[in-house]
Amino acid sequence: DGGITQSPKYLFRKEGQNVTLSCEQNLNHDAMYWYRQDPGQGLRLIYYSQIVNDFQKGDIAEGYSVSREKKESFPLTVTSAQKNPTAFYLCASNPTRTGTHGYTFGSGTRLTVV
Amino acid sequence: DQQVKQNSPSLSVQEGRISILNCDYTNSMFDYFLWYKKYPAEGPTFLISISSIKDKNEDGRFTVFLNKSAKHLSLHIVPSQPGDSAVYFCAASDSNYQLIWGAGTKLIIKP
Repeated sequence: DGGITQSPKYLFRKEGQNVTLSCEQNLNHDAMYWYRQDPGQGLRLIYYSQIVNDFQKGDIAEGYSVSREKKESFPLTVTSAQKNPTAFYLCASNPTRTGTHGYTFGSGTRLTVV
Repeated sequence: DQQVKQNSPSLSVQEGRISILNCDYTNSMFDYFLWYKKYPAEGPTFLISISSIKDKNEDGRFTVFLNKSAKHLSLHIVPSQPGDSAVYFCAASDSNYQLIWGAGTKLIIKP
């Protein structure tokens, strides 16, 4: 079964800690994205990558970092510089760099700062 | 500044009736529009889309209408079923092929 796997489903972070959210896809998609969802708001783009070893900042990249060393994997690190990290994080992939028709989403990771 | 707006946070509809979800946008350069459906604690799933060269696209119970002059699109679901209860996101594609998302509308189908 092809799809996107995000782990963990729930994550708790102490203030001042960095945490890494995993996103793996076996769809052979070129493009991958990280979004953040907050109550009453749409999905906001954090980072995206259109090819391996390349990634671009989205609208709210401050306090986050990513890597794209393999086509299948696009991990997101929430650093201590992110002042309000509690949110629902969604990873998505797309078959091509320019296509918008085929976004596939993972089931999300809920991050809570304790 | 929100470029894609869904002004109704929630909508309640009787089962069997028509559900109409609305979306407004401000950027006339958007050329592709999509609707996604999201259940709690899950990622959104693609529902239906429409290109700016069309004014209507239909897929089973779902129809999307686009009014470019009004910068408005709507999703019609008929007849509405209990499984349609979810949050519906409208999204638009910009010139960089990135999706700009609305805030979502929670649809509740009453039995």
